[in-house]
Amino acid sequence: GAVVSQHPSWVICKSGTSVKIECRSLDFQATTMFWYRQFPKQSLMLMATSNEGSKATYEQGVEKDKFLINHASLTLSTLTVTSAHPEDSSFYICSARGLAGGGGVQETQYFGPGTRLLVL
Amino acid sequence: AQTVTQSQPEMSVQEAETVTLSCTYDTSESDYYLFWYKQPPSRQMILVIRQEAYKQQNATENRFSVNFQKAAKSFSLKISDSQLGDAAMYFCAYRAPNYQLIWGAGTKLIIKP
Repeated sequence: GAVVSQHPSWVICKSGTSVKIECRSLDFQATTMFWYRQFPKQSLMLMATSNEGSKATYEQGVEKDKFLINHASLTLSTLTVTSAHPEDSSFYICSARGLAGGGGVQETQYFGPGTRLLVL
Repeated sequence: AQTVTQSQPEMSVQEAETVTLSCTYDTSESDYYLFWYKQPPSRQMILVIRQEAYKQQNATENRFSVNFQKAAKSFSLKISDSQLGDAAMYFCAYRAPNYQLIWGAGTKLIIKP
């Protein structure tokens, strides 16, 4: 249980284009989803927190107009990197925290497999 | 502010032996959760073990166990009978009241065959 999928796993795009990354909780309803960015050999850096039906809360230094987050349902959140540039190339990971229920899904973040973005 | 410290950038262990990864944290909260996550080369973040601070009993998941010392704010991970598949980055994380995770810098675990 507590499976999170992320799509696409790999994306290469040209500078100036927009890229959408989907994050889905497959077997539980996610009250909260988190978006992270990870640089090589570093820990995860939280970009934003999104709750279903609400505007995302962005961490300091993260451009909300560049990284658009939508959490339209209890099982789907999307991150759109707008007008991507080479410096946006990175590994993006989402995680989900479930509604109250068994197995600790409410207390635990479960992670998607990540998306590698390369902007040329 | 809450912080998490992993003082071992890299650890190595012989296959089948036991290794302990260290983690200390700082918080003024009395009730919280602590986690160990594993990130293998695939970069999928996998939950290894979870500890609730109000539970005095140390969490155990098969070959993985923790030594949770609340007063000392220490949360170490013990891996018994190490296997080649245990090779990964291990991250210690503290769950803040707003459900955000505060991460340690990670420990790279190398398994020697």
